Amino acid sequence: EAAVTQSPRNKVTVTGGNVTLSCRQTNSHNYMYWYRQDTGHGLRLIHYSYGAGNLQIGDVPDGYKATRTTQEDFFLLLELASPSQTSLYFCASSAGYAEQFFGPGTRLTVL
Amino acid sequence: GEKVEQHESTLSVREGDSAVINCTYTDTASSYFPWYKQEAGKSLHFVIDIRSNVDRKQSQRLTVLLDKKAKRFSLHITATQPEDSAIYFCAASMNYNQGKLIFGQGTKLSIKP
Repeated sequence: EAAVTQSPRNKVTVTGGNVTLSCRQTNSHNYMYWYRQDTGHGLRLIHYSYGAGNLQIGDVPDGYKATRTTQEDFFLLLELASPSQTSLYFCASSAGYAEQFFGPGTRLTVL
Repeated sequence: GEKVEQHESTLSVREGDSAVINCTYTDTASSYFPWYKQEAGKSLHFVIDIRSNVDRKQSQRLTVLLDKKAKRFSLHITATQPEDSAIYFCAASMNYNQGKLIFGQGTKLSIKP
């Protein structure tokens, strides 16, 4: 069973649209992360969380909100999507200062 | 803030030869250096890591070397096989950032028959 799942796997929206990306982990990890992957930039951290109700700002947070509702669930919200947010988004979980386990990714296109 | 640079964006080696991927980092407080592999069209998975209390770590055909003075670390793959073809990402983290990783840009490794 996949330990980190993401939904949807693909999403197309229009500029100004509202998008929620979902992530669930069954690793019993405290830490969860949202990254975006763009050619030439590697992975860049958007937001991360130490546990339910906790939120930490990453390196590229502008235009994104996140919410950690339970230990298992971490959501990324784009309230006014822009074409610059077209990207491949990965969620990951970890026990902290250790190996991160990645989800399958969500490809988001903003027209 | 911390920056991690991967020097080779692409690397091509013949099957059976060795491959070396190099990374540098800027913050002397960094103490944890993992490597991740991303096969075509797939997600990332962890391959090996090294912590700053050692300068070498080996796992089967993979070896990571860490030079703290030069702020440089490298991934060495010996006896390369077709399944080693992938994008490899290096990353760095500081203890107090509780697992927050700064990734390099990635190196696409191609293994030629």
